[in-house]
Amino acid sequence: DVKVTQSSRYLVKRTGEKVFLECVQDMDHENMFWYRQDPGLGLRLIYFSYDVKMKEKGDIPEGYSVSREKKERFSLILESASTNQTSMYLCASSLSRGPTIYNEQFFGPGTRLTVL
Amino acid sequence: AQKITQTQPGMFVQEKEAVTLDCTYDTSDPSYGLFWYKQPSSGEMIFLIYQGSYDQQNATEGRYSLNFQKARKSANLVISASQLGDSAMYFCAMRESNNDMRFGAGTRLTVKP
Repeated sequence: DVKVTQSSRYLVKRTGEKVFLECVQDMDHENMFWYRQDPGLGLRLIYFSYDVKMKEKGDIPEGYSVSREKKERFSLILESASTNQTSMYLCASSLSRGPTIYNEQFFGPGTRLTVL
Repeated sequence: AQKITQTQPGMFVQEKEAVTLDCTYDTSDPSYGLFWYKQPSSGEMIFLIYQGSYDQQNATEGRYSLNFQKARKSANLVISASQLGDSAMYFCAMRESNNDMRFGAGTRLTVKP
């Protein structure tokens, strides 16, 4: 059974703290993604990675960074958390996109982050 | 820029009835894929159905079907014989040939007993 796991379901942090959100997939997928989900805005892509040590900015990368040292693990880092980063964070993975557009993304359960 | 529009923030349907969730998209890429995901209250995103831009027939998966109208750039999800467990958020998404998946704002479906 394919699986994407995220380190925490709920997280509460204080403004200015450094926050790490971890994501691990066991499907040997090349691609991994971080989204944030806010009511009325759907899912917005923060960063993604097509390979180890590779990363690309999504639509809303400001205030975030990522790390991918191993194929199965993709970390989202909030260098200095702010209240406007309170959100649900979803990690996803998929096979290498190649020439095909059919690449279903598999999602983790999400981390609900609250920044006070 | 690609764009996914879901115009129905919330929908209600009676149990055992059919319901259509709307999705329109905007792209100039001839090659793209359309996806629907379900997100129950637990938060996990569940893939439901996929339609490729070159597919001749509308996609179907059990009680889910995708009403694909290419000229109108719409990809509505039809759920037949609604069940209480269908109550959830539903997201339409699109991937172009060189881009990653982009999502609409979602529709919250509530199935009434």
